Parts: sequence; structure tokens; C-alpha cells
Amino acid sequence: DGGITQSPKYLFRKEGQNVTLSCEQNLNHDAMYWYRQDPGQGLRLIYYSQIVNDFQKGDIAEGYSVSREKKESFPLTVTSAQKNPTAFYLCASSIALNEKLFFGSGTQLSVL
Amino acid sequence: GQNIDQPTEMTATEGAIVQINCTYQTSGFNGLFWYQQHAGEAPTFLSYNVLDGLEEKGRFSSFLSRSKGYSYLLLKELQMKDSASYLCAVRDNYGQNFVFGPGTRLSVLP
Repeated sequence: DGGITQSPKYLFRKEGQNVTLSCEQNLNHDAMYWYRQDPGQGLRLIYYSQIVNDFQKGDIAEGYSVSREKKESFPLTVTSAQKNPTAFYLCASSIALNEKLFFGSGTQLSVL
Repeated sequence: GQNIDQPTEMTATEGAIVQINCTYQTSGFNGLFWYQQHAGEAPTFLSYNVLDGLEEKGRFSSFLSRSKGYSYLLLKELQMKDSASYLCAVRDNYGQNFVFGPGTRLSVLP
């Protein structure tokens, strides 16, 4: 079955540590996205990628980094510069930029 | 600025009908999407409106009025499994981004 896989489901970060969230899709979609979801707020865009080897900052990119070396993969690194990382992180993909989004099941990141 | 408003929470009874409203003020408009999200899970696509009017899909319908910046999602014959958050999202004219509302958490009671 085609879909988007995020791992891990739960992740804990220690102070000063970088952590990487995995996102893999086998839908053959060109565009991929990372969103952050906080209680009571809408999804906020962190980074997006329209095509392999290209990515753009979203609305809240500070303290995050991404790479897009393969079409299927779009990992997100939460760096120590992100002072409030506790949130639910959702990866999404679409056949082309800003077409209907397909979401992964999310990663809950918490700070120890 | 970009702003989307939805009620935070709603409660309804199994078998009833519920309407979830969404109002938006965005820099442009190129379509409105509704997603369903169960707690801790992936949002899943429900409906898409780009022209004014009603789109019906089984128990779910979605309405759009572009002049009023208003949409609603109508859920009929509510089932317990419909307890979830419902997200409204607008795609702007420039195609650079979706703007998401805060979501409406619907609780369906027996």
C-alpha cells in the first residue's frame, strides 16, 4: 500500500541535543512538507520541498533543518537552537506543490 | 494578514446532524480543504471546494461562499467514529502555502 511513514512515533530530546525525524513516502509525489501542530493552533509550515535537492523555508523555519537527497525521503532535524520544540510534527506530501496533501501519522517530540 | 476561524469544540449526539463553520481572511483564495484528524493520527482528506456551492460526498457535505469568506462542513447521521478534529485549510492565490485553521474538536455522544 502507498503512503507516508513517519518515525519514530514518540521522541524525547535532551537539552542541547539535535534530533532527526524521519519521513518516507512511496506515493511518487514530488512535493513534501513538514508542519508543526500545537494545541489550539493551526498547522504551521516549517519547510517544504517542491523537488529533489530543493527546499524552501516555511513560516517557522528557525531552529530546524531539512534535506531532500531522494524523492522518497524528507528528514527534519530539530536543532538545539529550537528553544520550544515540544509539539506534534506532521510530514505531508502532494503530487505537485500545493495540491491535495497526504499526511503521515506524526511524531510527538517532547523535551526531557 | 492570514486568519482562519473555527469553533474550538462542538458536541453532538449519535444519529444527529452537525455543522462545523469556518471563516477565513486570506491574501488570496484558490480553494478550501477540509481534513479529519483523529487524536494522534494523520489528518485525512474529506473535501475540496473552489467554487461557490455545496459538494456532497456520502454523509459529509461541504459548502463554500467566496464572497462571505465562509465555509461549513455538514456531517449527517453522526456515528461515534466521527469524534475527531476537523481542520479547515485555505490555499492562497500564489500557491505557496496552505493556511490552516485551529481545528474543531467534535465529540459524538451516545
